[in-house]
Amino acid sequence: EIVLTQSPGNLSLSPGERATLSCRASQSVGSTSLAWYQQKPGQAPRLLIYGASTRAAAIPDRFSGSGSGTDFTLTISRLEPEDFAIYYCQQYSSLPRTFGQGTRVDIK
Amino acid sequence: EVQVVESGGGLVQPGGSLKLSCVVSGFTLSDYWVTWVRRAPGKGLEWVANINPGGSEGYYADSVKGRFAILRDNDKNSLYLQMSSLRADDTAVYYCGRGGRFPVYWGQGALVTVSS
Repeated sequence: EIVLTQSPGNLSLSPGERATLSCRASQSVGSTSLAWYQQKPGQAPRLLIYGASTRAAAIPDRFSGSGSGTDFTLTISRLEPEDFAIYYCQQYSSLPRTFGQGTRVDIK
Repeated sequence: EVQVVESGGGLVQPGGSLKLSCVVSGFTLSDYWVTWVRRAPGKGLEWVANINPGGSEGYYADSVKGRFAILRDNDKNSLYLQMSSLRADDTAVYYCGRGGRFPVYWGQGALVTVSS
């Protein structure tokens, strides 16, 4: 199975700052078979990005994704108070699908 | 409006069985793959299983293979996760999602606690 490693594990930032989250795959997931999810306590996962860089419906444009092959990045250009959460990457290049271990973005 | 609602969670003893249900509305279930994921306390999301629209193909994480079965009844707009030989590390909130690659619509989850 493809192992996804996210870094950093925790990111402490202030509202208005830029957040850069990394996801590295143990083998290529192709050019686009990667998604990013946000999860807050007590809530279901929320799809942010699919195809490595396509924003899901109703996702603000401060969220952007990039990368291909084994290295991917989620960028939040200016953190809003509601963006403090845990973020997961997930590959859908092969079965079983796998998630990274998550990056927690909290308020500094 | 798309709705996804899980049910059937609860407390079960190690080695026991439990069946989760997921009822959907607002779309035709037979058009979609469906996925189960879980989140254990203090841990991250874990993909569990998915199933094709007709119900003939199910795929599983290694951690649940041979113990869990994913099933569906399209006529009842329902998806199921039959869990057996449950272990303490199966304790988690289980989420059902529409889609087999990157689910967009999710339920609010069903809590399964495996403990004596």
